Amino acid sequence: DTEVTQTPKHLVMGMTNKKSLKCEQHMGHRAMYWYKQKAKKPPELMFVYSYEKLSINESVPSRFSPECPNSSLLNLHLHALQPEDSALYLCASSQDRYDSQYFGPGTRLTVT
Amino acid sequence: EDQVTQSPEALRLQEGESSSLNCSYTVSGLRGLFWYRQDPGKGPEFLFTLYSAGEEKEKERLKATLTKKESFLHITAPKPEDSATYLCAVLPQGAQKLVFGQGTRLTINP
Repeated sequence: DTEVTQTPKHLVMGMTNKKSLKCEQHMGHRAMYWYKQKAKKPPELMFVYSYEKLSINESVPSRFSPECPNSSLLNLHLHALQPEDSALYLCASSQDRYDSQYFGPGTRLTVT
Repeated sequence: EDQVTQSPEALRLQEGESSSLNCSYTVSGLRGLFWYRQDPGKGPEFLFTLYSAGEEKEKERLKATLTKKESFLHITAPKPEDSATYLCAVLPQGAQKLVFGQGTRLTINP
């Protein structure tokens, strides 16, 4: 089983809203990732968690706040987003930071 | 600077017409090279990992090969359902972050 699940599939939020994206994997992977993807562009790394600790933050604005409650779950808390933050947000996981990454289906986020 | 270049940007083939996609990379050392398939609006689907020059992997109509400077994704007798964007990414030695190419948009016409 190489499944990563993400909820919700779609999210529309205003610039003053607070929302969260959720990601779950049950493959026993110890590294989890958040990516942002714009149309016709490759995924762009935002955060990496390794063994439930934040190991990489790609200088992401503080309006994006990641959280890793346990080894299977990854959240991305959103607050005061801008319209340019509208994108497909992808979660991925891998056995460790150097192994093949498996992506979830993504959350299509629209900020109005 | 680590860099990945995919060519062509877009490719249209007739069903059954075999071809190859190219992924050229410049890294100080390669830990792994990854191929993904992505359908519109969906997350990338993992296809292959290659670690060393000379390595080959196959899955159905797809075959990935690796040299010291590039990787090829060969598609044999493609079908319309093979239409997708194919992404190549490398993990440089000592790095924790994938370097992605811009992708090749493949369209297979029936």
